[in-house]
Amino acid sequence: DTGVSQNPRHKITKRGQNVTFRCDPISEHNRLYWYRQTLGQGPEFLTYFQNEAQLEKSRLLSDRFSAERPKGSFSTLEIQRTEQGDSAMYLCASSLMTGGYEQYFGPGTRLTVT
Amino acid sequence: AQTVTQSQPEMSVQEAETVTLSCTYDTSESDYYLFWYKQPPSRQMILVIRQEAYKQQNATENRFSVNFQKAAKSFSLKISDSQLGDAAMYFCAYNGFNKFYFGSGTKLNVKP
Repeated sequence: DTGVSQNPRHKITKRGQNVTFRCDPISEHNRLYWYRQTLGQGPEFLTYFQNEAQLEKSRLLSDRFSAERPKGSFSTLEIQRTEQGDSAMYLCASSLMTGGYEQYFGPGTRLTVT
Repeated sequence: AQTVTQSQPEMSVQEAETVTLSCTYDTSESDYYLFWYKQPPSRQMILVIRQEAYKQQNATENRFSVNFQKAAKSFSLKISDSQLGDAAMYFCAYNGFNKFYFGSGTKLNVKP
């Protein structure tokens, strides 16, 4: 098992552009989570999926953000009309439904909005 | 609202010594899980230890142990025999029902 992977690792975009990130979880994990982490802070929860169903969304996830997990496998996080405040590390994690919900994190996608 | 507070932004420990990182949380749930994660510089987050709220026994993983005080909503991490490789950001995390919160982290420096 290769763990959680995220692509791209880095993304630089101009304000107003749309960006999409991909996360591939550990294959047998039912749950997939998206977090945002800014420098010097802990991860902030954005949303999570159980299989293909999106079960919870944070108030941080504005209308410009959308996440999908078709067929309960990989997931995408799209940010439309990016703003400079969107600059952050976007982390993906996955877990089994049982076992205390231990989350395994990917390396993250660093977004810079210029 | 559930929150996780780590009051020590940065701590230092001498190699081979013991250090304790503090974490408090606020919740109205009775069933939840608590975790400590480690994030080395420019590397991904990894699980250090977890605690189930309904278990009174404190979790232990090799040199890492926790002091879980449910009534006080406190969850501290003790690192014994500190090693240079322990230097990292440490995050306390709370998992409840559809709730996932992290503290702001404690940067641990290990001095040789």
